[in-house]
Amino acid sequence: DAMVIQNPRYQVTQFGKPVTLSCSQTLNHNVMYWYQQKSSQAPKLLFHYYDKDFNNEADTPDNFQSRRPNTSFCFLDIRSPGLGDAAMYLCATSRERGLNTEAFFGQGTRLTVV
Amino acid sequence: TQLLEQSPQFLSIQEGENLTVYCNSSSVFSSLQWYRQEPGEGPVLLVTVVTGGEVKKLKRLTFQFGDARKDSSLHITAAQPGDTGLYLCAGAQLGNAGKSTFGDGTTLTVKP
Repeated sequence: DAMVIQNPRYQVTQFGKPVTLSCSQTLNHNVMYWYQQKSSQAPKLLFHYYDKDFNNEADTPDNFQSRRPNTSFCFLDIRSPGLGDAAMYLCATSRERGLNTEAFFGQGTRLTVV
Repeated sequence: TQLLEQSPQFLSIQEGENLTVYCNSSSVFSSLQWYRQEPGEGPVLLVTVVTGGEVKKLKRLTFQFGDARKDSSLHITAAQPGDTGLYLCAGAQLGNAGKSTFGDGTTLTVKP
């Protein structure tokens, strides 16, 4: 059974139209991450939540926001998607932060901007 | 500059061949993980190595962590088409609050 679930699997949005991607987990993990992955590139960490504590990466554009209303759900909001934001967006969870922590990934949402 | 360099970037081999992919850095990592990612899917964790010189085996896959904890290798014996995918290494560092940094990956294609 899937433990980290991302919806939808594929999302098409118009240039400049706000879009929200969702992630849920059944693992009861403290940490939830959002990554952006472009073709043939490494996943790039955008931000993570440790419980309710939001941690933004220094180079994450302001266009990207996140919400975590409860332990199970985390949302990625893209306020004004540009063509350069087309990518695979990966959600991951881990029990704790820190070294040797294993991350569990969802299947990703492929975002297309038209 | 990529903190973790993976090589080769692309690898295409015939079923039954052996292969090794590498993950190198000039920095020391407290732990290193290998993931496999199939097209259109999220990465799936294969192994975590934490001790310098550590060797772990997972069926036909052998993972090694360098003595100095700056590099790692993944060796696949008798590759099968089901091994096809993007292999990613990710390293965690004390100085980065334990967060993991991914390499750019090796795209492996195993032809039947």
